[in-house]
Amino acid sequence: QQPVQSPQAVILREGEDAVINCSSSKALYSVHWYRQKHGEAPVFLMILLKGGEQKGHDKISASFNEKKQQSSLYLTASQLSYSGTYFCGSEEGAQKLVFGQGTRLTINP
Amino acid sequence: DGGITQSPKYLFRKEGQNVTLSCEQNLNHDAMYWYRQDPGQGLRLIYYSQIVNDFQKGDIAEGYSVSREKKESFPLTVTSAQKNPTAFYLCASSSLATNEKLFFGSGTQLSVL
Repeated sequence: QQPVQSPQAVILREGEDAVINCSSSKALYSVHWYRQKHGEAPVFLMILLKGGEQKGHDKISASFNEKKQQSSLYLTASQLSYSGTYFCGSEEGAQKLVFGQGTRLTINP
Repeated sequence: DGGITQSPKYLFRKEGQNVTLSCEQNLNHDAMYWYRQDPGQGLRLIYYSQIVNDFQKGDIAEGYSVSREKKESFPLTVTSAQKNPTAFYLCASSSLATNEKLFFGSGTQLSVL
């Protein structure tokens, strides 16, 4: 079963912050985050492996709450280049990675 | 440069026809995947393979078939049994180590004539 992402779409002005949530009805052993620009391949952002783990680079960070089976992606002081669709993915057994339905992020000047 | 190559970029299928989408990687990855992307539905797993000559069904395998005769190649056939094949198809690969990231190809847009 696919993870569930919320919100489905977000529209921001440049410089504003955003949070994208990912939750699963199944146990989450790890969480992947990817970003896809229209018509392009998804690009890897980060993997969180342990409950309570937080990661970040530049102004994009994420957290992973293993007990709540949730992960959140935080985009701070958004830039135009952050626009795209964000996907979370979870591993269901060996090498089987399933993705959420995506969150479309639009950043306006 | 290492990467994943999908071809063709655009493909048209006539009713009742089987079509094959190509996916080749030179990253020396053992695991390969096929995902289907429809608007608003994210990426759905069709098939995946961890080793040559072995593959597993994903969540939406009906109407599709794959083969893994070589480590570098994982072609996907969309059969006539797939009644709604119009979608964007993405191939990906990763190493077999646990929790390794996926590398994606640039995708194939399949449409029905």
